[in-house]
Amino acid sequence: EAGVAQSPRYKIIEKRQSVAFWCNPISGHATLYWYQQILGQGPKLLIQFQNNGVVDDSQLPKDRFSAERLKGVDSTLKIQPAKLEDSAVYLCASSLEVGLGAFFGQGTRLTVV
Amino acid sequence: DAKTTQPPSMDCAEGRAANLPCNHSTISGNEYVYWYRQIHSQGPQYIIHGLKNNETNEMASLIITEDRKSSTLILPHATLRDTAVYYCIVRVAVRGSTLGRLYFGRGTQLTVWP
Repeated sequence: EAGVAQSPRYKIIEKRQSVAFWCNPISGHATLYWYQQILGQGPKLLIQFQNNGVVDDSQLPKDRFSAERLKGVDSTLKIQPAKLEDSAVYLCASSLEVGLGAFFGQGTRLTVV
Repeated sequence: DAKTTQPPSMDCAEGRAANLPCNHSTISGNEYVYWYRQIHSQGPQYIIHGLKNNETNEMASLIITEDRKSSTLILPHATLRDTAVYYCIVRVAVRGSTLGRLYFGRGTQLTVWP
């Protein structure tokens, strides 16, 4: 079975620029997560979707971050404008349903300079 | 919030059992305990989860104490490829959501040496 696909793998941008990340979850997985992992820390949930509805976005900095999952499958996470402290690995994960183990993608490593 | 406490680092000889402890003393009765691991530069990998009973799969065993305040992940025969950060995770309550959120702490860096 194909895993969670993310792109790009790496991205370097200047502060105040915009960036978007893409995630294709495992086929049939209703729940999709975006996590931010800063170096040396555990992943922090940014947003959780159940199909195409948002379940939890309480830790998403909504003044600059946005995410969508229009058809309940693929998802994009956008940062506009980026700040230096946004440098991190952005991980996408999916699970068949809430309560089951989630499968993570390789992540996108973002460097803001 | 139900959160977890893990030692920051442990080491283990190759071929021996690795026992990784986790305290989750504020866990509520219907919350699962999940274990993930993260090998350098990769996304976290799901290992196992449990509620009350001990669980075993092809990767590991999970022992949960009767009072559910702590658990131990056991890798029965550790290999060099098991060197990773291991996260013990519980779901924390989120206002306005019935689903809660998986909370990752800093985990335990397990180093398996030859």
